[in-house]
Amino acid sequence: EVQLLESGGTLVQPGGSLRLSCAASGFTFSSYAMSWVRQAPGKGLEWVASISDSGGSTFFADSVRGRFTISRDNSKNTLYLQMNSLTADDTALYYCAKDALQRIRMIVVVPYFNYWGQGTLVTVSS
Amino acid sequence: QSVLTQPPSASGTPGQRVTISCYGSSSNIGSNSIYWYQQLPGMAPKLLIHSSNHRPSGVPDRFSGSKSGTSASLVISGLRSEDEADYYCAAWDDSLSTPVFGGGTTLTVL
Repeated sequence: EVQLLESGGTLVQPGGSLRLSCAASGFTFSSYAMSWVRQAPGKGLEWVASISDSGGSTFFADSVRGRFTISRDNSKNTLYLQMNSLTADDTALYYCAKDALQRIRMIVVVPYFNYWGQGTLVTVSS
Repeated sequence: QSVLTQPPSASGTPGQRVTISCYGSSSNIGSNSIYWYQQLPGMAPKLLIHSSNHRPSGVPDRFSGSKSGTSASLVISGLRSEDEADYYCAAWDDSLSTPVFGGGTTLTVL
């Protein structure tokens, strides 16, 4: 059974940093691209970042580029999101999501996510 | 404002057929596949339709998707109370070079 378990969300002050983790199990983690998608309170879904299966390619939304870093440790079956220079606009529930297909080469981020975690809440406030 | 436009709300009575639309442009829906997600209250999103009109295993055939030009539709037939949820469309956008989501449609079963 595929499981994605996010952690690391908490209350952080504006300008602060935070690292989210997503522990994966039930599938060959190193064979699939992974993504982070967030949802601000009462709002819709917003794609944040994606990383290829090997970690060699990364993609970011304009709203987070230069502030967030996505990475993965395939030996630990874990996905990460390092978030710096946080603002109130980053307040959201952050989901990790698994790509549905194994891709030879990741050129685009197809929003085809067949498994999602339950999310971890990040609140940016003073 | 979302790149993909969805009506904020939709409703129907049990047994009815409901259509949720998603409007885009030539750079997203017009040239790429559409994906639909269902988000039940308090839950994570769930993949409902992929590649514009394909259902993952386990999704009832009451749910169907279609695409025409720069718009897409999700049709729910035989509406049930458990279909009450938020529905999101998504696609890759060639101009933005990012995936984009619609703003979501809240479906109410009356």
